[in-house]
Amino acid sequence: EVQLVESGGGLVQPGGSLRLSCAASGFAFGNQWMHWVRQVPGKGLVWVSHIDTDGRTTHYADSVKGRFTISRDNVKDTLFLQMNSLTAEDTAVYYCAGDTVGGSDIWGQGTMVTVSS
Amino acid sequence: EVVLTQSPATLSLSPGERATLACRASQSVRTSLAWYQQKPGQPPCLLIYDASKRATGIPARFSGSGSGTDFTLTITSLEPEDFAVYFCQQRYNWPYTFGQGIKLEI
Repeated sequence: EVQLVESGGGLVQPGGSLRLSCAASGFAFGNQWMHWVRQVPGKGLVWVSHIDTDGRTTHYADSVKGRFTISRDNVKDTLFLQMNSLTAEDTAVYYCAGDTVGGSDIWGQGTMVTVSS
Repeated sequence: EVVLTQSPATLSLSPGERATLACRASQSVRTSLAWYQQKPGQPPCLLIYDASKRATGIPARFSGSGSGTDFTLTITSLEPEDFAVYFCQQRYNWPYTFGQGIKLEI
């Protein structure tokens, strides 16, 4: 079964850090571009970050550039998002998503990140 | 950054009717546009990529068209399970961006 499972979300204080993980199974993870997308419950989707197949090329939304770092381990089939200097505006459900075609056709169920004191 | 504007914000239709959802880009994205469906409590599901290609397992009643700045998602003969929120996403320029969504309701 093709699957992405996120973990690492939770409650963190403003200014704090959190590292999200996304474990892949059932598909050739190392051959796919991967993304992080976030969504405030009840609101729209916001693309956060992208990483290419070997991890050498990354892209970020302006709102997280310099604070978030995307990475991947193609041996352990896992995607990561290191989030630093968190603010209340980073509160959202974070999804990892994979591209096997010209769109993200594999999605995890999401992990909630809440930034609050 | 490419801004995607979806219209209308809400579309009220009945099962069996035809739905036409629009997505307009602030600059050309050629055909690098995808459509997603999202139901409450679920992650998005890819419907259409490259503006007009149906993703695996997507019923033929879903079709996409357009290029450049104007795109359309058409759902012929709505089924009850089609009532959801629909997002477009451009994948031509970084950062990738999503439209604000269209709620398709009964």
